[in-house]
Amino acid sequence: AQTVTQSQPEMSVQEAETVTLSCTYDTSESDYYLFWYKQPPSRQMILVIRQEAYKQQNATENRFSVNFQKAAKSFSLKISDSQLGDAAMYFCASQGGSEKLVFGKGTKLTVNP
Amino acid sequence: NAGVTQTPKFRVLKTGQSMTLLCAQDMNHEYMYWYRQDPGMGLRLIHYSVGEGTTAKGEVPDGYNVSRLKKQNFLLGLESAAPSQTSVYFCASSRQGYPYEQYFGPGTRLTVT
Repeated sequence: AQTVTQSQPEMSVQEAETVTLSCTYDTSESDYYLFWYKQPPSRQMILVIRQEAYKQQNATENRFSVNFQKAAKSFSLKISDSQLGDAAMYFCASQGGSEKLVFGKGTKLTVNP
Repeated sequence: NAGVTQTPKFRVLKTGQSMTLLCAQDMNHEYMYWYRQDPGMGLRLIHYSVGEGTTAKGEVPDGYNVSRLKKQNFLLGLESAAPSQTSVYFCASSRQGYPYEQYFGPGTRLTVT
């Protein structure tokens, strides 16, 4: 069974600063994918970034990057130059060898002007 | 393309009433999913479908039924609503299963009194 743990229920950051959201996971699969989803107040789930477990290079998407530590089963999200529009719930998720996504409980990110 | 749409967006039911939530996608995706999101719980998979005419149980299937009579539609039914089914329901679709990205609808907020 897969599990995903987000240990930070809430985080805050000053506009233009950098923030890191933590995620740990557990899976028995040898091949799997990891995701970060953003959910703004509109409720729409938006894929921010994804990482294939077999790739050692950390994924990046503009201001968003991950620190993937496979041995430690850690998958953190770094947001650089934070903007007011980054304020949202962020969910970490894993998918390993099946059609099922398993989500963490989320981290609420507040961006202070 | 509209992507994934959900009908209705909001609904209030009394305990014991029944209703059906409709999910439609115009991306010709094979796989479709129903999730529920509760405060502090992340998203949990209720049922899913790997193709027209097929359905399967997810993590929290009790109290729900689903049908996939047409490839583009996935219906979620509550036969006798209970207050514990008060939640936000999300539909998603993907081209195939693992490791294809899931695209989410805007959600339906259901309140059972």
